[in-house]
Amino acid sequence: DAGVTQTPRHEVAEKGQTIILKCEPVSGHNDLFWYRQTKIQGLELLSYFRSKSLMEDGGAFKDRFKAEMLNSSFSTLKIQPTEPKDSAVYLCASRQGDNYAEQFFGPGTRLTVL
Amino acid sequence: SQLAEENLWALSVHEGESVTVNCSYKTSITALQWYRQKSGEGPAQLILIRSNEREKRNGRLRATLDTSSQSSSLSITATRCEDTAVYFCATSSSGSWQLIFGSGTQLTVMP
Repeated sequence: DAGVTQTPRHEVAEKGQTIILKCEPVSGHNDLFWYRQTKIQGLELLSYFRSKSLMEDGGAFKDRFKAEMLNSSFSTLKIQPTEPKDSAVYLCASRQGDNYAEQFFGPGTRLTVL
Repeated sequence: SQLAEENLWALSVHEGESVTVNCSYKTSITALQWYRQKSGEGPAQLILIRSNEREKRNGRLRATLDTSSQSSSLSITATRCEDTAVYFCATSSSGSWQLIFGSGTQLTVMP
């Protein structure tokens, strides 16, 4: 079974640009998460979908960050407009089962905003 | 503020030695998971330990959970260079779908 796929692996953007990150969860998983990871803040939750419905839209992040789940096998995270402080690794994870089930993570997209 | 956190930012050991990573948390939990993240990869689960369990093993890994002191440990025996990674604890609480991750401990295993 394929794991979680994320594209691109690296993205460089100019301040003010719009970028879209993509994620394909593990086939059959109902839950999908987007996280941002930095050395200072660690793993921060951006969005959570259960069966394609948005359950958590990231609070402080909702302003310029928008996650969508177009179908059960594809999700996007749009950042618009980008700012240098958005430079981080963006991780997508999927899960099947209850709240204790393992989250399977993709390799992440490293975003650099100049 | 962090609801789960590992107690040390970084540890280093020599190959073959044993090492323990500790984690403390601040709320009542229903389960705790340990994850490992190697450079350039996403985190991967190592062990899940539920609140009614005291110890769980997985090969060279052993996790303990002490709900009275709200702490957990992950021990690795006979360490290998490929164990070099960041180790996170992550907690689940009753009624919550969210997994709260600690900030991680960087473990370096030297030849």
